[in-house]
Formats: sequence, C-alpha cells, structure tokens
Amino acid sequence: SQQGEEDPQALSIQEGENATMNCSYKTSINNLQWYRQNSGRGLVHLILIRSNEREKHSGRLRVTLDTSKKSSSLLITASRAADTASYFCATVPYNTDKLIFGTGTRLQVFP
Amino acid sequence: EAGVAQSPRYKIIEKRQSVAFWCNPISGHATLYWYQQILGQGPKLLIQFQNNGVVDDSQLPKDRFSAERLKGVDSTLKIQPAKLEDSAVYLCASSLGQRVTEAFFGQGTRLTVV
Repeated sequence: SQQGEEDPQALSIQEGENATMNCSYKTSINNLQWYRQNSGRGLVHLILIRSNEREKHSGRLRVTLDTSKKSSSLLITASRAADTASYFCATVPYNTDKLIFGTGTRLQVFP
Repeated sequence: EAGVAQSPRYKIIEKRQSVAFWCNPISGHATLYWYQQILGQGPKLLIQFQNNGVVDDSQLPKDRFSAERLKGVDSTLKIQPAKLEDSAVYLCASSLGQRVTEAFFGQGTRLTVV
C-alpha cells in the first residue's frame, strides 16, 4: 500500500519559475524523504527531513514538514529544463524501518 | 564508490514462465530493498532485508514471488509462474545502516510478460 499521495499528479512550468509539490501521508513517521526519477539516472535521493524538523534546505530545494497535518511540500526554485522528472515522497513510518513511496508528481519544465 | 548493480536490464518472458533478477548492493550496506514499479505509479515495497534476515515481506505475493539474500550481500528475486500483471520495473535499493536514511537505487530490471 502507498503511504503518501502527491499533489498535483502533473505540473508544467517554464524555466525560471518555481515548482511546488505536496505530499500527504497516513501514519506517524520517523522521517520523510524526497526522490527524483528520470529515465537517465533512475531514482535519486534529494533530501531527508526528520519528524522533529519543520524546514530544510538544499541548494534550490526547500522542504517543509507539518506533522500535525501529516503533509510535506517540496519547493524547487528557479527551475531548469534538467529538473524535468517525476518526484516522489517516501516515508519511514514510526517504529518501523520500512521506506514507503507515494504516488509521485510528474514535473515538466519547458525551456 | 560503485553503485547498486542489477541484472538483467530488460527481460521479456511468456506468462507462466519463471524469471529471476539479481542485485548487488553497495558494499557494506546492511539494508536491501526490492520494489515493484508499474508504469505511472510509485515504487511498491515487495521485501526488505536487514543483513540476511527479512524485515518486511507483507506486500510480497508469496504464492509466486520469492527472494533471498545470501550471506547478507547480494540478492535474487524470483517470479514463478509469471502473470501478465507482473509487467513492471523491479528496483533494488540499499541503505547503510539499520535506521532508514538515504536509499541508493539500481537502474532496475524492466520485465515484460506477454
């Protein structure tokens, strides 16, 4: 079963614009991670945020976590054509060692 | 450092045949995962190993799927007999310790069942 659901399912933007995608999950978590998948490089880890953290940055990426709403968002600033990919949130449910993926958001960045 | 290796990259079989996939995780990684990813969906966890013990296999269709991780290193996933709905990409991943942090993925095996 999928723990997370991403929203929107698909997103199209122009280069230079910001992209925001959201993840909602069902149960308490240890941490939440974001991954990118494109045809060239497979699934790649982007960033991890722990359950006691509210915001984290890495380069052009900003992740927020609201455990009371069981939701997270990923913001990509100043997007590039190379950011075109599917983005997945993945959760580690509380008291488990499992890594459960959501449904994904397909991002298309036009030059 | 070498990444997660998977083979074969592609496989086409007829329904009711059997197939096996191989995965060699990153050296020293204790945790190994097998995921099934159907086109347009997120990866679905099939089985997770900690060293050579099974941590979770609740989503593994045990009537046809089996997996093993010999000596806590490489792993094989087998399907016997295959069904049309098994057509998917099978992804192997590994992570360093027992607490789940960053997982590293292989390129996957694309299985087509005809």
